[in-house]
Amino acid sequence: ETGVTQSPTHLIKTRGQQVTLRCSSQSGHNTVSWYQQALGQGPQFIFQYYREEENGRGNFPPRFSGLQFPNYSSELNVNALELDDSALYLCASSSGTTQETQYFGPGTRLLVL
Amino acid sequence: AQRVTQPEKLLSVFKGAPVELKCNYSYSGSPELFWYVQYSRQRLQLLLRHISRESIKGFTADLNKGETSFHLKKPFAQEEDSAMYYCALTDQAGTALIFGKGTTLSVSS
Repeated sequence: ETGVTQSPTHLIKTRGQQVTLRCSSQSGHNTVSWYQQALGQGPQFIFQYYREEENGRGNFPPRFSGLQFPNYSSELNVNALELDDSALYLCASSSGTTQETQYFGPGTRLLVL
Repeated sequence: AQRVTQPEKLLSVFKGAPVELKCNYSYSGSPELFWYVQYSRQRLQLLLRHISRESIKGFTADLNKGETSFHLKKPFAQEEDSAMYYCALTDQAGTALIFGKGTTLSVSS
C-alpha cells in the first residue's frame, strides 16, 4: 500500500507569483483534503475534493484553488502569493468524505519572499 | 463556532511519570474527536479517535461532554512518546478536521 506523497518538498517564491503543489493520494482513497500549517499553529483546512469535485472549503480566499484528477491525485494552486502564505502545506487522503480517517502526506514547505 | 483548545504549548515529564495532555473543544452537537501525533521528522499520523475507544501505545482519551474535554492520558511515559500532539475534531459537515495548536511532549530520563 502506497502512502500519501507530495511534491515538491520545499520551494521558494516571491510575492505576487503563483505556485502549484501536488499530492498523490493513498491507494484506494478517493478523497483529498488540503491544510495550511503556519509556524507554531495547528493545520487549517483549506478545502476537500471528492471524486473530482470540491466538497467543502475553509476560510481561505479564492486565490487558493484546487483540482482533483481521475486517478484522485490533486493539485493546490495559489495565485498572487503573499508573505503570509509561507507555511507547510499538508495533503491528506481518505476513503470517504465524512469522518473517515485522514492520512497525511509529509507536506510541502513554501517560503514566500 | 467550532474550536479546539490545547492550553499547554509544552509539557515536560520524566520517564515513568503519568502524562495528561489537555484538550477542550466547543461544538454544537456530538463531535467526532481525534488525537494526532507527529514524531520528529515523521508525518502527522492518527493516534486514536474517540469513536473507536482504543488504547494505542498505552494512550487513552475519554470524552467528557459536560466539561467539553478530550484529554489524552498515559500512566507511564516513555522517551519514545516525545512528539507533538494535536487534538482535532471534525466540522459539522464531517469534512474538515479542526485542529488545536498542539502540545509538545518531552519525556526525559
